[in-house]
Amino acid sequence: GAVVSQHPSRVICKSGTSVKIECRSLDFQATTMFWYRQFPKQSLMLMATSNEGSKATYEQGVEKDKFLINHASLTLSTLTVTSAHPEDSSFYICSASHRLSLSQDTQYFGPGTRLTVL
Amino acid sequence: TQLLEQSPQFLSIQEGENLTVYCNSSSVFSSLQWYRQEPGEGPVLLVTVVTGGEVKKLKRLTFQFGDARKDSSLHITAAQPGDTGLYLCAGEGSSNYKLTFGKGTLLTVNP
Repeated sequence: GAVVSQHPSRVICKSGTSVKIECRSLDFQATTMFWYRQFPKQSLMLMATSNEGSKATYEQGVEKDKFLINHASLTLSTLTVTSAHPEDSSFYICSASHRLSLSQDTQYFGPGTRLTVL
Repeated sequence: TQLLEQSPQFLSIQEGENLTVYCNSSSVFSSLQWYRQEPGEGPVLLVTVVTGGEVKKLKRLTFQFGDARKDSSLHITAAQPGDTGLYLCAGEGSSNYKLTFGKGTLLTVNP
């Protein structure tokens, strides 16, 4: 159980276009999802926390107008990179929070989306 | 801001050797999770430790959570080439569900 999917797995786009990435929890409901960015051989950097039915909370330095997040249901969150530029090229990973007990929440990660902006 | 110092950052060893990866912080975490990530894939959860002093074993991997819940270690016995990957520790804060990640340990096990 606790499977998280992401779509697409890879996307190549031209500079100035927008790209939407979907994150789905397949076998559980996730009130909270997280979006991370990862550069080669580096750790994950949290971009934003997405709560179902409310506005996302962005980490310091992350532009909310550039990285639009929508969490329309308990199983789906989307990240839209607007007006993408080459410096936005990265590996984007989502995670979904799965409540295992009253005191324990575990994050399960999607397989990631490799974005390349030409 | 909670920080997790993970060491070593890089580790290259021969098959059959043992190794230990450390995660240390000055902050207390409600839980700590260890992940393994292969290139081009998302992190896969290995274990979650919750109780101070807790020890969990997963085949050749042994995970320990410090008594004060500020540090953790991952010990691998008789490493195999299949253990190669990026190992990440992540601590969950007591006031929210956010994870603070360590910088990761890139492990290479040579045959």
